[in-house]
Amino acid sequence: DQQVKQNSPSLSVQEGRISILNCDYTNSMFDYFLWYKKYPAEGPTFLISISSIKDKNEDGRFTVFLNKSAKHLSLHIVPSQPGDSAVYFCAAYSGAGSYQLTFGKGTKLSVIP
Amino acid sequence: EADIYQTPRYLVIGTGKKITLECSQTMGHDKMYWYQQDPGMELHLIHYSYGVNSTEKGDLSSESTVSRIRTEHFPLTLESARPSHTSQYLCASSAGEGYGYTFGSGTRLTVV
Repeated sequence: DQQVKQNSPSLSVQEGRISILNCDYTNSMFDYFLWYKKYPAEGPTFLISISSIKDKNEDGRFTVFLNKSAKHLSLHIVPSQPGDSAVYFCAAYSGAGSYQLTFGKGTKLSVIP
Repeated sequence: EADIYQTPRYLVIGTGKKITLECSQTMGHDKMYWYQQDPGMELHLIHYSYGVNSTEKGDLSSESTVSRIRTEHFPLTLESARPSHTSQYLCASSAGEGYGYTFGSGTRLTVV
């Protein structure tokens, strides 16, 4: 059973527009969420995170929104740049358990110049 | 600069060979992890360690083994490689909750 779901395998966005990547989770024990960015043949790099006590966290062009009641989070990138083209993974963990991240399958973002 | 290193980056080997994938970190992190990822799929945890002489199997069953004799070193070994082991193997470390994981560049393994 997949506990972290990214239902869109891919997304194409025009440069300068907003990119919205979505993530749903089923485990109500998750209380910390992270987004990672991955280029081909590289390891994932940490992008932004959010704790369940918040509903929004912002870092430059990147904002993560958390809707706990819907068990949904989203990553907004604005404005999108060609260098943002990569696979984005949503991840979550429960502070009540061991510190192990559960990852989604990723969404491949293509930003078109 | 503190970082996490994986070698080799790419490896093509024959069936039945024994291989060790290396992972080292210079950040002094106690927690280290091995993930396996196939294209278009999620990262699956195969092994983790919370300190020296501590190793556990992850959610995904794996025929590999790991060791943690030193804090900075967390190698993964396949005693007899098979084509089903073809995948990308990612090593990560963490300072603990709230700090996220730092990943290495990965090893792309192909078993022919």
